[in-house]
This record gives sequence, C-alpha cells and structure tokens, in this order.
Amino acid sequence: EPEVTQTPSHQVTQMGQEVILRCVPISNHLYFYWYRQILGQKVEFLVSFYNNEISEKSEIFDDQFSVERPDGSNFTLKIRSTKLEDSAMYFCASSEGRGLEFFGPGTRLTVL
Amino acid sequence: GEDVEQSLFLSVREGDSSVINCTYTDSSSTYLYWYKQEPGAGLQLLTYIFSNMDMKQDQRLTVLLNKKDKHLSLRIADTQTGDSAIYFCAESNQAGTALIFGKGTTLSVSS
Repeated sequence: EPEVTQTPSHQVTQMGQEVILRCVPISNHLYFYWYRQILGQKVEFLVSFYNNEISEKSEIFDDQFSVERPDGSNFTLKIRSTKLEDSAMYFCASSEGRGLEFFGPGTRLTVL
Repeated sequence: GEDVEQSLFLSVREGDSSVINCTYTDSSSTYLYWYKQEPGAGLQLLTYIFSNMDMKQDQRLTVLLNKKDKHLSLRIADTQTGDSAIYFCAESNQAGTALIFGKGTTLSVSS
C-alpha cells in the first residue's frame, strides 16, 4: 500500500540554525500539506500546497518557514532560523483531491 | 472560527464497546474524519464520513453523524488492547484546504 514517507525521523538542531524536513508524498497525489504537533497539544495546520504554489497557510507559517517541491517526488519544509518553540513533531500529508489526507510518520524536531 | 472539541480520556475493558464523541463548528465540511495515533507513531486515517451521510460502518467501527447538532461519534465494537491509542476527530476548513483537529481522546483498554 502506498504511503507518505518522511526523513529524518528525528532532527536535533541548535537554536538559530536552519533545518529542512523532507517528505515523499504518495505518487499520484496532487495536494501536499505540513502540520505540526507540539508535545501534548493539538495537531495544527501549517500550509497546503497545490500546483507548485501555496494554496493556504496558517498564522504559524510566518517568514521563517518555506516549502518547496524541488523535483517530482519530494516536498520539503524549511525553517530558516529555528527557535526553541519550533520543537514539535512535524507531519507531512498528501491527498489526491481535496480531503482524505494521508499522513506520514512525522519528524520529531528538537531545538536546543 | 472553526473548532473541534472532544473529551480527553476514555477507559474501557477489553471486549466492551467504546464510544468517542466529538463536536465541530463548520457545517460546510465535506468530510469528517477519525485519525488514530499510536504512541510514537504518525496519524493513521481510520475512517471518514461524507457530510451527507448519517452513518458509516466499517468492520468494528461505526461512525455516526448528527449534522443538526454538529456531533460526530466513533464506536469501536469488541474493543481490544491494540485499540489503545489517541483518537483525533477532524473536519475540513471551509475552503477544504486544511484539516482542523480536536485535541484527541486517549482510549485506554484494560484486560
């Protein structure tokens, strides 16, 4: 069964450093998403991406964040200058159409 | 704004039925979802229901939707210890471009 994959599973970084989280969505899916879950809190929407552009973003997704689909398979989330409060589990998701999003296993980001 | 509320904990005995409840605010959601998260794992799409349906059954899972009251429930029949997890209710936002999640209900199953 096709699935969304994410790398790395755990990323540790120093405050102020740039990180890139990587995702490979399901191959025939057209919509891509990033969500995050701070420990013990709700899963929060960050951004959705369709047709090579951002279709929606939340207020969390400020200028420190960017997304890219550098080739036909990868979808990345970049955080330019990490802050302690960026520590969270980051989930990538994809869907064929709007709705029915399938999630990856997540990347745990720890900012020290 | 859009919001999803669910109770935080449910404890049942193995073999009993579990019912997890959720209320939501956005009546324009096309789909409503239940996701399951096991410890240390990602979000697994467990089941979903179209907003024009009242009920959906899938093996041990039954989803009930009351659109008038904006109430969604997930019933798990013959609950097993392997069902212990956090269950998230979610709705689509108005544009259908994002999911709004509840805080999750932790289901604990004792043998």
